[in-house]
Amino acid sequence: DTEVTQTPKHLVMGMTNKKSLKCEQHMGHRAMYWYKQKAKKPPELMFVYSYEKLSINESVPSRFSPECPNSSLLNLHLHALQPEDSALYLCASSREDRGEKLFFGSGTQLSVL
Amino acid sequence: AQSVTQLDSQVPVFEEAPVELRCNYSSSVSVYLFWYVQYPNQGLQLLLKYLSGSTLVKSINGFEAEFNKSQTSFHLRKPSVHISDTAEYFCAVSGGYQKVTFGTGTKLQVIP
Repeated sequence: DTEVTQTPKHLVMGMTNKKSLKCEQHMGHRAMYWYKQKAKKPPELMFVYSYEKLSINESVPSRFSPECPNSSLLNLHLHALQPEDSALYLCASSREDRGEKLFFGSGTQLSVL
Repeated sequence: AQSVTQLDSQVPVFEEAPVELRCNYSSSVSVYLFWYVQYPNQGLQLLLKYLSGSTLVKSINGFEAEFNKSQTSFHLRKPSVHISDTAEYFCAVSGGYQKVTFGTGTKLQVIP
């Protein structure tokens, strides 16, 4: 199994809603990442978990709250988002946390109304 | 700090013609370099990578890239493109730690 699975694929939410994005990998990877990608832009790093501990937070607003329940799962909890937060949210994993090969999921396309 | 520059936002090329996508990087430490490809409505897939050793790296589908330390470049080439190569290509750099920085991407459009 060489896949990173993200759910849901599409999400529409209002600014007062609370929702969660989920990411799962069964490759035994020890690092997991959240990236945000706006249309026609490169992915921007949001968070990195290494060995289930948050190691990088790229000054992301607190309305985004990551969680790593175990080594295979990564969640991104969303609350009180703004329309400008609409984007493709990509999860990725890597075998170690040295910035080598990233395996990406297909992403969650989020629209905030 | 590290950064990646992809000067070409779009590259149109006729099918079976050669193509080069340019990438220059800046880093204060030794680097890992990557090319990722993204098809519409999908995540990114690793195309090829340079970690160490031979400066010329090749992918299974005919792409190759050469690490040039003196010119701080990692250009991607293919001698003959196919329609299925139409996609967005991102060059990326890592300093051997967790943060991978992506360039702004080059959209390769193969014309039949």
